[in-house]
Amino acid sequence: EDKVVQSPLSLVVHEGDTVTLNCSYEVTNFRSLLWYKQEKKAPTFLFMLTSSGIEKKSGRLSSILDKKELFSILNITATQTGDSAVYLCAVLSSGNTGKLIFGQGTTLQVKP
Amino acid sequence: NAGVTQTPKFQVLKTGQSMTLQCAQDMNHEYMSWYRQDPGMGLRLIHYSVGAGITDQGEVPNGYNVSRSTTEDFPLRLLSAAPSQTSVYFCASRDQGRDTQYFGPGTRLTVL
Repeated sequence: EDKVVQSPLSLVVHEGDTVTLNCSYEVTNFRSLLWYKQEKKAPTFLFMLTSSGIEKKSGRLSSILDKKELFSILNITATQTGDSAVYLCAVLSSGNTGKLIFGQGTTLQVKP
Repeated sequence: NAGVTQTPKFQVLKTGQSMTLQCAQDMNHEYMSWYRQDPGMGLRLIHYSVGAGITDQGEVPNGYNVSRSTTEDFPLRLLSAAPSQTSVYFCASRDQGRDTQYFGPGTRLTVL
């Protein structure tokens, strides 16, 4: 059975800290891995990763995929209170009926 | 473009009642899907569709029906609501050739 597991499930840090969120997966016919941010509403897209070892970066957020070890990490540097959210990792399987399988999410709270 | 729209935003039902959650997208996306989100469980796929007239079951299809008569619309029907269906429901769509999935704003459903 395909599955995506995120850790930790929750995290509390102070502004300025750096955090690393983990996502491991076991999915047949892997196509891509996506990270979303959810703040009390619909998830919004952050990154999509398809190739191993290539870092995607957007401001203070970055992510990398390891297809050999079947995991991805999301890093957030110099955290701000606005980074408080649930971060979702999802894996898309290939094929016309490709499904997006989500992990449980990591709830990040950034305290002032 | 309005993107993905969902109605209603909130709904309270009594056990045994039926209702339809509406979802529409104006991006001409072939792929549409319904998820439910419960605390600590991420998003779980209920049903999905790869085009008009084609639907299939996801991880948690029991108690839900879908149909896809047009590219734009993908309604989710609850035939006989149960308290276990209390959840937040998200509709999503994506272009068949792309990996990024776009989410609607969600419907918060409570079944008493």
